[in-house]
Amino acid sequence: ILNVEQSPQSLHVQEGDSTNFTCSFPSSNFYALHWYRWETAKSPEALFVMTLNGDEKKKGRISATLNTKEGYSYLYIKGSQPEDSATYLCASGGGSQGNLIFGKGTKLSVKP
Amino acid sequence: DSGVTQTPKHLITATGQRVTLRCSPRSGDLSVYWYQQSLDQGLQFLIQYYNGEERAKGNILERFSAQQFPDLHSELNLSSLELGDSALYFCASSQGGQPGGELFFGEGSRLTVL
Repeated sequence: ILNVEQSPQSLHVQEGDSTNFTCSFPSSNFYALHWYRWETAKSPEALFVMTLNGDEKKKGRISATLNTKEGYSYLYIKGSQPEDSATYLCASGGGSQGNLIFGKGTKLSVKP
Repeated sequence: DSGVTQTPKHLITATGQRVTLRCSPRSGDLSVYWYQQSLDQGLQFLIQYYNGEERAKGNILERFSAQQFPDLHSELNLSSLELGDSALYFCASSQGGQPGGELFFGEGSRLTVL
């Protein structure tokens, strides 16, 4: 059974701070790693889908890296803004691993 | 807007009752997934349908069942409800049937069992 862990559970930062969180996942039979952004009262929305070891993806001020050999991914937010406040979910799975397994998320609060 | 529609948004019912949650996938998507989000838990995969057929099963209780209709909308039926079934139920869709592709989520149906 896949176990996807995210840390920290929650994070409070000031506007303008840069921050990062971690997702760890089983590295055997790796297929894909997803990051989703979930704002309160809205639907989770995909940020990145990553499949290759060493992959780096970027969307505006948000970027992610992937290490499939050691089983971790980092999500970075540069110059956090209040609108970045959300829960960030990672999920691993697909292929022979079966359906995506989600971590419990990192809840980010950005204070103006 | 993800294009995935879930109804109802909120539902309050009593123990022992039965409810049906409905999901319309994004246009063109053939797969529908159901997830349960309970307090302090990650999204728990329940079941996947692809083009009307059950494709994969996760931690779905025997009291729960689902189906996908010819027009590709899906329903999740929850029966003999218990207090512990209170949760946010998400539907997601994707284009293909293979797991691992990007998911498009609805806004969820929040079920409260009293």
